[in-house]
Amino acid sequence: GPKVLQIPSHQIIDMGQMVTLNCDPVSNHLYFYWYKQILGQQMEFLVNFYNGKVMEKSKLFKDQFSVERPDGSYFTLKIQPTALEDSAVYFCASSLGGWGDRDTLYFGAGTRLSVL
Amino acid sequence: DAKTTQPDSMESTEGETVHLPCSHATISGNEYIYWYRQVPLQGPEYVTHGLQQNTTNSMAFLAIASDRKSSTLILPHVSLRDAAVYHCILRVNQGGSAKLIFGEGTKLTVSS
Repeated sequence: GPKVLQIPSHQIIDMGQMVTLNCDPVSNHLYFYWYKQILGQQMEFLVNFYNGKVMEKSKLFKDQFSVERPDGSYFTLKIQPTALEDSAVYFCASSLGGWGDRDTLYFGAGTRLSVL
Repeated sequence: DAKTTQPDSMESTEGETVHLPCSHATISGNEYIYWYRQVPLQGPEYVTHGLQQNTTNSMAFLAIASDRKSSTLILPHVSLRDAAVYHCILRVNQGGSAKLIFGEGTKLTVSS
């Protein structure tokens, strides 16, 4: 199926520093998502994004989090400053939007974030 | 999104046909039934989805009850690569886009 690429696959960072996770979505997709998964736990929705704006965010999407997609390049999740509880795998997803078959979400392989 | 109920785990042997059930008694008329699977350290993989009619693709057959209150994902001739957690998720396709809400899913074990 369509591929979503996430860069890097693993990021190690000291607590308090800033980190940016990058996502290269499927080329013609219009809607973008971030999910968080702590090892051994469920996937949890963070935020979705369309047309330059956050559409919906969960309680997990703290004030230290921000998302953007400047000029149609990478869709990014920035955490500033990072905290120990931010350690998790972050998955990006994208979808075309619209009705029925058009609106399937496709996920990347994730970025493992380790905050020390 | 309405809730789904799935067994915590199922076991199978290579070559068998596996039936993964999902109950969604309070499904709304505009909710699609989506199935994703996830193996450790990887992102969820789309398997299939449907609204009312049974659907089939290269990965699976999705059987939807006539009242839409339950569905079954049928995996023919499973291999070791089919071992994963399978998630049944209800989602409204509303012309924009809607998030997926993941639950615990069913952990499928495949033995040789």
